[in-house]
Amino acid sequence: GDSVTQTEGQVALSEEDFLTIHCNYSASGYPALFWYVQYPGEGPQFLFRASRDKEKGSSRGFEATYNKEATSFHLQKASVQESDSAVYYCALRSNYQLIWGSGTKLIIKP
Amino acid sequence: DMKVTQMPRYLIKRMGENVLLECGQDMSHETMYWYRQDPGLGLQLIYISYDVDSNSEGDIPKGYRVSRKKREHFSLILDSAKTNQTSVYFCASSFLGVNQDTQYFGPGTRLLVL
Repeated sequence: GDSVTQTEGQVALSEEDFLTIHCNYSASGYPALFWYVQYPGEGPQFLFRASRDKEKGSSRGFEATYNKEATSFHLQKASVQESDSAVYYCALRSNYQLIWGSGTKLIIKP
Repeated sequence: DMKVTQMPRYLIKRMGENVLLECGQDMSHETMYWYRQDPGLGLQLIYISYDVDSNSEGDIPKGYRVSRKKREHFSLILDSAKTNQTSVYFCASSFLGVNQDTQYFGPGTRLLVL
């Protein structure tokens, strides 16, 4: 079946560092891909989506590019801030459901 | 203001008691979802509802049932709760269309079954 893999369970960075969180998927065709962010004590929030090869999604300084060949949708941000501390989830649409990755916790070091 | 609400936010029950979790949305979304989230396991889909009285099992439906009698309201019922149903439960909603499929989540209900 369809699946999403996030290889990093946790990423620790200092403020102003460059962020990459890796997301790879397994699915046929061109499934819509999503990034969500979850802050402590809250529900996941939609960041952005992409549904075509080479399409870039972006929001709040985060971005990711749909790469069909590599089956990837890696999340990046040029300069992280303390307020970016959260868990980030990659997901893909399969039928009427979202298939979720396991999440990556971003820790900003003091 | 687009919003998904969940009640109650916190709940403590004893094993064997019945549990009712309620979810509402004001966006006229056709589709609504119930998830549970446990540490290290991410989000697991319990049930999906495509509209009033049109519900389907998700990945982990055992021990749960749902009810949707109005488009804006979706309930999750645990008959005779078990300790392994202690978790955080999230409700979400979305439109059904292919390019309108962003899910909007509520704040969650933290359930403790003793």
